[in-house]
Formats: sequence, structure tokens, C-alpha cells
Amino acid sequence: QKEVEQNSGPLSVPEGAIASLNCTYSDRGSQSFFWYRQYSGKSPELIMFIYSNGDKEDGRFTAQLNKASQYVSLLIRDSQPSDSATYLCAAFNAGGTSYGKLTFGQGTILTVHP
Amino acid sequence: DAMVIQNPRYQVTQFGKPVTLSCSQTLNHNVMYWYQQKSSQAPKLLFHYYDKDFNNEADTPDNFQSRRPNTSFCFLDIRSPGLGDAAMYLCATSRDRPRAQHFGDGTRLSIL
Repeated sequence: QKEVEQNSGPLSVPEGAIASLNCTYSDRGSQSFFWYRQYSGKSPELIMFIYSNGDKEDGRFTAQLNKASQYVSLLIRDSQPSDSATYLCAAFNAGGTSYGKLTFGQGTILTVHP
Repeated sequence: DAMVIQNPRYQVTQFGKPVTLSCSQTLNHNVMYWYQQKSSQAPKLLFHYYDKDFNNEADTPDNFQSRRPNTSFCFLDIRSPGLGDAAMYLCATSRDRPRAQHFGDGTRLSIL
């Protein structure tokens, strides 16, 4: 079983719609969660992080965390063609050390069509 | 702007010919990472430096080595590249814990 699992997609939504990206994780010790956006041929770019249960909003982006269900999601409101990219979910676990580890999912491809 | 810079952006090498990829940062972060990412896959951590301390992942092949001569620079050496090593190599940095990592633009490595 993958430690951080995402539906690889592609997820296709029309411009202006809400895109919903989901992620599950197997390590209950994971403490915080990150969403990275990666355009084709480019490096990942951090767009959101969340560490408390509930919702966290930043502009058109909302991250949701449910630790009991080991589930993280990212909602993108008013989706634009420029949002078309691969979205990587990552989970951080301190692992009882001073360092910890960040584990990435394989990413979900999002396509926003005009 | 403070950033993470990787050189070159594209690297072509021959099967078995050693290659070095470089990464520099102006963020003054104490942790630097090297990831390998193949198409449609998650970035795979190869190793990282926490200050001067080198930390190798258990499944990183011996063919991959790294050097960090100072805080700003880190190198990835592939001693004898095989066809399976063709990938995007990402350098990232963070301050202390590997939570919010800043990535460079990556080096795409091709093996002939």
C-alpha cells in the first residue's frame, strides 16, 4: 500500500467550476500536509499546507483535513485554465526525531478546459 | 530573489559516463535534498544533507553520490548512469524540518 495515495486522474473540469482533489495517507503519525502544484516539465511549487482538522482557505484554494479518516483534500474554486497542472499531496511525520520525513503522493493531473 | 538554482536544465550523457548535477541556493536553508522523479510518479527522495550531515535513503543505489562543499551548494554525482536513471532530478531546500520545501526547476537527465 502506498503511504500517500492520490487518484492519478486526469481530472477534467470546465472553467469556473470547483475542482476537488483528494488524498489519503496510511501513516497515522502524519502531522501536517502539503499541496504542491507542478506544471509540466517544471518543479513542484508549494501552494497550501494544513495541520489541523477542518478547512483552511487561501484565495481560491481550500485545504481540508480529516485525521480520523486520514483524508486530505484541495478545492480550487473558479477553476482557470492556468490551474491545469499536476497536484502533489505530501504528508509530514516527525517520526519521533528532530528531523522527520515528507512523503509525496504520485499526483493528480488536473485539466481545466475553457 | 532568493531561490534554488539547478544547472544544467537539461543534461544528456552516455550510458556509463559519469555525470554531475549541481544545485545552489540563496535561501540560507540548512537542509538540502535530492529527489528523482520519473514521469507520472511521486518525487523519490534519494538523500539529504542536514547541515553537513549526509543522510542516505535505504533504497538509493550506490551509483548515486552527493557532495555539499558549503551551505549554498550541493552536487549529485551519478557514477555510471544506466538507462533507468533517465529522469527529472529535483533539488529542494528547507529550514530544519522537511515540511515546506523550496524546489529548484530541476534537471532533466537523458541517457543515450
